Amino acid sequence: ILNVEQSPQSLHVQEGDSTNFTCSFPSSNFYALHWYRWETAKSPEALFVMTLNGDEKKKGRISATLNTKEGYSYLYIKGSQPEDSATYLCALPSYNNNDMRFGAGTRLTVKP
Amino acid sequence: DAGITQSPRHKVTETGTPVTLRCHQTENHRYMYWYRQDPGHGLRLIHYSYGVKDTDKGEVSDGYSVSRSKTEDFLLTLESATSSQTSVYFCAISESFQGLETQYFGPGTRLLVL
Repeated sequence: ILNVEQSPQSLHVQEGDSTNFTCSFPSSNFYALHWYRWETAKSPEALFVMTLNGDEKKKGRISATLNTKEGYSYLYIKGSQPEDSATYLCALPSYNNNDMRFGAGTRLTVKP
Repeated sequence: DAGITQSPRHKVTETGTPVTLRCHQTENHRYMYWYRQDPGHGLRLIHYSYGVKDTDKGEVSDGYSVSRSKTEDFLLTLESATSSQTSVYFCAISESFQGLETQYFGPGTRLLVL
């Protein structure tokens, strides 16, 4: 069974703060890692897909890194804004890239 | 939104009644998925389909069945709804993203089983 752990469960920061959170996964049989952003009352939206150890992806103020050998990925947000408030999910395919296993998410709240 | 719609968007039903949720997509995607979302669990895969009449179980398939008689529609059925099936249900499809397949989600269906 593929266990995907995210920490912290929730995070409250002030506008302008930079923040980061973690996705942990078993390092064996790694195929890909997906990050999603999920705003309240909306559907999850894909942010990044990462496959290679040492991968780093960036989209505006959000970036992610991947360490497949030790089984973790970090998501960073630089200079958080209230519109960054959302739940951030990571997910990994279980064995055939169809059975996607999601972490429980990190709920970020950015206070103005 | 990858052309995904779900119906109904909200439903209240009673324990023991059958419920069918519909996912409809307009872009001829081969893979379709049904997830449920519950507090503390994130998204959990119920069933998925890899083509017409081709389906497979996910992590939490007990109590659910699916059918896909045409490419554009993927139906999720609760044969006899229970209160533990109160949840938000999301349909998804697979599409290329940053060179790999990732999943795009529909708007969700809120189901309350009384």
